[in-house]
Amino acid sequence: EAQVTQNPRYLITVTGKKLTVTCSQNMNHEYMSWYRQDPGLGLRQIYYSMNVEVTDKGDVPEGYKVSRKEKRNFPLILESPSPNQTSLYFCASSFPGTRNTGELFFGEGSRLTVL
Amino acid sequence: KNQVEQSPQSLIILEGKNCTLQCNYTVSPFSNLRWYKQDTGRGPVSLTIMTFSENTKSNGRYTATLDADTKQSSLHITASQLSDSASYICVVRVDNYGQNFVFGPGTRLSVLP
Repeated sequence: EAQVTQNPRYLITVTGKKLTVTCSQNMNHEYMSWYRQDPGLGLRQIYYSMNVEVTDKGDVPEGYKVSRKEKRNFPLILESPSPNQTSLYFCASSFPGTRNTGELFFGEGSRLTVL
Repeated sequence: KNQVEQSPQSLIILEGKNCTLQCNYTVSPFSNLRWYKQDTGRGPVSLTIMTFSENTKSNGRYTATLDADTKQSSLHITASQLSDSASYICVVRVDNYGQNFVFGPGTRLSVLP
């Protein structure tokens, strides 16, 4: 089954304790991206990757890191989480370029609470 | 500035009734527009895509329209069901080359029995 898998789905942590949210897709997509979703603000892009070893900042990258060492995986790293990073996080993947319509395939979401 | 607005912010209807959600965009250049459905606690899923040359497209009880001149799109839901309760997000792709998207804030639809 084609899917984007995120882990963990739910996490409660404390300020300053490093954490990683994993994202894996099995559709051979070049493009992967992370979003956070907050009430009233919609989906905002954190980081994206057009292919392996190619990453770039989105609209709200502060406090986050990413890496793309393999095509299928795109982990999101919070080196020192703060309460304002409490949010619902989504990973998405897609085929980029003119030959594709750009449909984004989203994971199930990871709800993070930072105390 | 590229922007997507949606209205209403939220909507409550009774099961079996119809409703229409609106999306206005100021995005250039325009590639396509998608409506996504997001069930509570789940990731968004694409419902339909509208390209520049398309005016109307149906997907079951969902009908999307696009007016490229006025830069407006609508999503009409016919004979609503309880399972239609969700957020509906309008997303405009900025160009055909990269993956530059502009997201609307979504409309939260609640269908009551």
